[in-house]
This record gives sequence, structure tokens and C-alpha cells, in this order.
Amino acid sequence: ETGVTQSPTHLIKTRGQQVTLRCSSQSGHNTVSWYQQALGQGPQFIFQYYREEENGRGNFPPRFSGLQFPNYSSELNVNALELDDSALYLCASSGHIMEAFFGQGTRLTVV
Amino acid sequence: AQSVTQLDSQVPVFEEAPVELRCNYSSSVSVYLFWYVQYPNQGLQLLLKYLSGSTLVKGINGFEAEFNKSQTSFHLRKPSVHISDTAEYFCAVSGSNFGNEKLTFGTGTRLTIIP
Repeated sequence: ETGVTQSPTHLIKTRGQQVTLRCSSQSGHNTVSWYQQALGQGPQFIFQYYREEENGRGNFPPRFSGLQFPNYSSELNVNALELDDSALYLCASSGHIMEAFFGQGTRLTVV
Repeated sequence: AQSVTQLDSQVPVFEEAPVELRCNYSSSVSVYLFWYVQYPNQGLQLLLKYLSGSTLVKGINGFEAEFNKSQTSFHLRKPSVHISDTAEYFCAVSGSNFGNEKLTFGTGTRLTIIP
């Protein structure tokens, strides 16, 4: 149990729809990172938030966006869903990179 | 930019036998190195990490890894595996300077323990 909570655990959406995924970080952690893990692949970095500001972004289109709130919880928003967006989305919180703790993930299926 | 190569996608091992999971990395800057384990339908759990100092790093569940800078490797080892070690193992690298903390993962190695 890492203390990082993601919701929902599973989600099914239709192509073209929008989705919001949520992450509650571990107490005392001010950095949240989001990763996409396609089936059979390693996680891919989407972006990171540090004290409510974006602090680095991976190779993902602008329809992937995020927010971090004053309590350091975070949201990942994906617009105009595509079939290839189907994946496990992982949130990790850290006080610094040496202590990245991952949540259980949200399994998104786009049909 | 960093990259990670895990050469073995699947490794079957008999119970109580030793195992080595291979990881090689590429980076133009100094790095931190990590091994994570993922059980079915779960998130990632940190097994061990190399930040600096001793090149032999000990982690949880009896795993250890050795950082070899000249060979740019960070192989994971366990002297005697158990059925409960069946899982997916990911090697990851990050830059060690502020602003370069994202984790870059390999494609994973599926470890299967044969009774």
C-alpha cells in the first residue's frame, strides 16, 4: 500500500469522448507524474506537476492535459479519445525522484 | 535523453534456482537507476534503486542489482527464486539533475517461476 490512490479503477469510453482521471498523492509529496502503459509495454512518461506547475512533458499530444491542486492531488484529462489511448494510466507521487510511489492505475478502454 | 533496453522479454526459471534479469541503459548525463516489479492488475512497486556510492544495491524480497558504468548495465539478480516472484519486472532510468527527473522505462521482463 503506497498511499497513492487513483480513481476510477476501470473505465470504458467511446472514441471521440473526453475522460478525466484522478490521483491523490501520498501525504507530504508535492510532485505528481503520469504515465501511460499500453498492453505489453513499459510505462511512458506523459507529464509531471510540481507545486501546481507543469514540470516536464513527454511525447504526447496537447489533447493530454493535466492539473495539480493545492493539496497536490492531480487530474489527467484526455480529449477526443482514440482507440490507441486504451491503456493503464499510472500516477506516481514523490517528494523527490528517489521516492516515486505508484498508484494501482486506471484501466481505460476506448471502444 | 535516456533509453533502457531489457533484452529478455520472458525468463522462465525453476523454483529455488538463481535468476538474472538484464538491463542496459543509454544516457548522455549522469543517471539514477531503478528496478520496479508489477504484479498482475497492480501498479509498480520499487524493488531497489542506485543513486550513488556502492555499485551493489540490495533491495526488497532478496533482490540485488549491480551498477556497471563501463558496460552501462544494471542487472537484477536473486540467488533463489520463489513462486511469489512471478511478475513483470521493469528497469528504469532518470536524470540526476533537477528538471530531468522523469522515469524512462524498459519494455519489461516477464519472470515465470516453474514449480
